[in-house]
Amino acid sequence: QQPVQSPQAVILREGEDAVINCSSSKALYSVHWYRQKHGEAPVFLMILLKGGEQKGHEKISASFNEKKQQSSLYLTASQLSYSGTYFCGTESLYSGAGSYQLTFGKGTKLSVIP
Amino acid sequence: DSGVTQTPKHLITATGQRVTLRCSPRSGDLSVYWYQQSLDQGLQFLIHYYNGEERAKGNILERFSAQQFPDLHSELNLSSLELGDSALYFCASSAEYRGSGYTFGSGTRLTVV
Repeated sequence: QQPVQSPQAVILREGEDAVINCSSSKALYSVHWYRQKHGEAPVFLMILLKGGEQKGHEKISASFNEKKQQSSLYLTASQLSYSGTYFCGTESLYSGAGSYQLTFGKGTKLSVIP
Repeated sequence: DSGVTQTPKHLITATGQRVTLRCSPRSGDLSVYWYQQSLDQGLQFLIHYYNGEERAKGNILERFSAQQFPDLHSELNLSSLELGDSALYFCASSAEYRGSGYTFGSGTRLTVV
């Protein structure tokens, strides 16, 4: 089942902060976050493997609440280069086959304006 | 350059035809994933191969099939094409180390006319 992302779109001025949420109804093994700019491939930002794990990459960080099956991506002091569509991907066990399936949400379009 | 190579970049074909999309994973990656991206559906998982074996299947139509060869490159075959199959098809690969995430190729844009 596809995870649900919110908001669907957000517009920020440079320097403002944003939070993107991702929730799933399935038990999760991990959560991935990707950013895709228009006409380009998605680019991996980070993966959270354990419940409660928080990871950071410069001014972009994320948390994963395994109990609630939710993850949030935090963007602080946004820059023009942060513009793009952000996708969360939730990884769950595939039919007991010992492999995992990464299912993406529909994305959150982030626009940063001067 | 992400290291994942997809060919061709663009493909225009008629309804009812068959096409083959090709993907070479990043050096050393054994897993290959195929995703379909359309405007209203986002990134839809199609299929996962690991070292030549099918590992997981998503919303892949029966008209679509894939395989991974001994040299680890993969091909996605789409047959009896319909207008609704027009989309961007991405291939991604991943390393054994789980924390590496997926590396996506630049995609093949398929237009069915």
